[in-house]
Amino acid sequence: GEDVEQSLFLSVREGDSSVINCTYTDSSSTYLYWYKQEPGAGLQLLTYIFSNMDMKQDQRLTVLLNKKDKHLSLRIADTQTGDSAIYYCAVPLSGGYNKLIFGAGTRLAVHP
Amino acid sequence: KAGVTQTPRYLIKTRGQQVTLSCSPISGHRSVSWYQQTPGQGLQFLFEYFSETQRNKGNFPGRFSGRQFSNSRSEMNVSTLELGDSALYLCASSWGLEKDEQFFGPGTRLTVL
Repeated sequence: GEDVEQSLFLSVREGDSSVINCTYTDSSSTYLYWYKQEPGAGLQLLTYIFSNMDMKQDQRLTVLLNKKDKHLSLRIADTQTGDSAIYYCAVPLSGGYNKLIFGAGTRLAVHP
Repeated sequence: KAGVTQTPRYLIKTRGQQVTLSCSPISGHRSVSWYQQTPGQGLQFLFEYFSETQRNKGNFPGRFSGRQFSNSRSEMNVSTLELGDSALYLCASSWGLEKDEQFFGPGTRLTVL
């Protein structure tokens, strides 16, 4: 079945760039998503990318997609302490309409 | 525009009881999906409803059920609660098109004692 993998932890210094990586198995997915979850909160949709794109930029966020390697990354420029959260990569299951398969989440810790 | 709302936000039950959680989607959205989030299993899809019909189902036992009303509000029910059902239950709404954006509510935290 579909599988989504992420590294579990990333620590960066405030002001540096953060890069969170994700790999997936279902090559037929047309959208790929990044969600953010802060402590005690629900999921916030950060950004998404169509599978026919290689890159999408949205203010401090840059999403890169390598379809051949089934690799997705999220770059956060000028990382701030408010960016500390868990970031989830999510992929819709083929033919599954709104059934999203989530990675385990990457905990981003930003330190001064 | 109001976001997805879930009630109650917190719930404590004991083993063997049943529970009903409610989700109100964003106005105009016709699809509601439910997810269970636990530290051990992460985020797992429960089911999706569209126009009052269950359109998709995850791998959960029959104790987990749901329904959707004509105004798109949805409820999920868990019967004969087990300790392992303790989790954050998240609801997401969307227009219902294939692979469109889903917007999540704050979740209901269920604790089973």
